[in-house]
Amino acid sequence: GDSVTQMEGPVTLSEEAFLTINCTYTATGYPSLFWYVQYPGEGLQLLLKATKADDKGSNKGFEATYRKETTSFHLEKGSVQVSDSAVYFCASQAGTALIFGKGTTLSVSS
Amino acid sequence: EAQVTQNPRYLITVTGKKLTVTCSQNMNHEYMSWYRQDPGLGLRQIYYSMNVEVTDKGDVPEGYKVSRKEKRNFPLILESPSPNQTSLYFCASSPNQRHTEAFFGQGTRLTVV
Repeated sequence: GDSVTQMEGPVTLSEEAFLTINCTYTATGYPSLFWYVQYPGEGLQLLLKATKADDKGSNKGFEATYRKETTSFHLEKGSVQVSDSAVYFCASQAGTALIFGKGTTLSVSS
Repeated sequence: EAQVTQNPRYLITVTGKKLTVTCSQNMNHEYMSWYRQDPGLGLRQIYYSMNVEVTDKGDVPEGYKVSRKEKRNFPLILESPSPNQTSLYFCASSPNQRHTEAFFGQGTRLTVV
């Protein structure tokens, strides 16, 4: 069945460091792909999305490109801030459900 | 403000005592769903609804019921809760099943003792 695999955390970075969180998916067909962010004590918020191959989603300095050839959707940010500390979930749309990765905790220190 | 509202946010209950977690959205979305979040497992879908009176099982439906009598509301019912249903629950809605604009509630942390 469809699945999403993302890198295990936690990821600990200093402010202004470069961030990459890897995400790969398996699916029949070409699902829409998403990154969600969950701040402490809150629900999930859509961070960015891509609906077809080679699309680049971007928001708040974060970017991810839908790579069909490598079935990947890696999240990147050039310079992280303390306020980016959160749990990040990669997800793919599979029929009537979103399939989530297990989440990656990012901790940014000043 | 567009939002999905869940209640309660926190709940501690005893095994076997029926409970309902409410979910309401104000965006006129057709599609609503429930997920549970467990450490190391991410989020897994429990039930979903494509529209009023149309519901179906997700990946982990055992021990849960839902109803969709009105478009805005999608309550999650645990008829006889058990400790393995201790989890963080999220309700979500989107205009359609493609989830391109999915909104999540703030979550309900349920503990069954």
